Amino acid sequence: GQQVMQIPQYQHVQEGEDFTTYCNSSTTLSNIQWYKQRPGGHPVFLIQLVKSGEVKKQKRLTFQFGEAKKNSSLHITATQTTDVGTYFCAVSYNQGGKLIFGQGTELSVKP
Amino acid sequence: DGGITQSPKYLFRKEGQNVTLSCEQNLNHDAMYWYRQDPGQGLRLIYYSQIVNDFQKGDIAEGYSVSREKKESFPLTVTSAQKNPTAFYLCASWGTGYGYTFGSGTRLTVV
Repeated sequence: GQQVMQIPQYQHVQEGEDFTTYCNSSTTLSNIQWYKQRPGGHPVFLIQLVKSGEVKKQKRLTFQFGEAKKNSSLHITATQTTDVGTYFCAVSYNQGGKLIFGQGTELSVKP
Repeated sequence: DGGITQSPKYLFRKEGQNVTLSCEQNLNHDAMYWYRQDPGQGLRLIYYSQIVNDFQKGDIAEGYSVSREKKESFPLTVTSAQKNPTAFYLCASWGTGYGYTFGSGTRLTVV
């Protein structure tokens, strides 16, 4: 079946350092979504990217969608302890289709 | 407040038993989904329903069953045929324009 690769699986950073997680597909995507799951919690929707080359920002978070619509990244500037959790990308290959989730990147932040 | 309610939060099942996990939403969303989450494996789709009285198998449907008799409700039954049911089960719904809304999940343990 269609799969999406997300890397890295784990990332440990010192508070104040930057963090990036990447999501890659071998097939062109219709759209990509990003979710955050705090430890012990459930995934919470962050953002959706639809257009080729799209860049969106939410405070310290920057989301990018590749020109070919096959990859995406989430970058956090100057991490804080509140950023701890697992970040998932979720992709759809056609409009209104089901989402396929990446494996997630678990972020830990050392104060 | 609108949202998704999953119950129970914790569930213990004996070998050979069927158990049903509840998922109710008051968001007026047409589409609903069941995911299974295991450590380090992200979210895997079990079943989904895009309209009342209709549902489709996801990637790991074996050993599970669902029904969608009402728009608000999408219960999941974990049958005795599911060989390794211990996991975190997440229900989600989707309305147009935004990402999935997840419930708080049910942690199922086989004893």
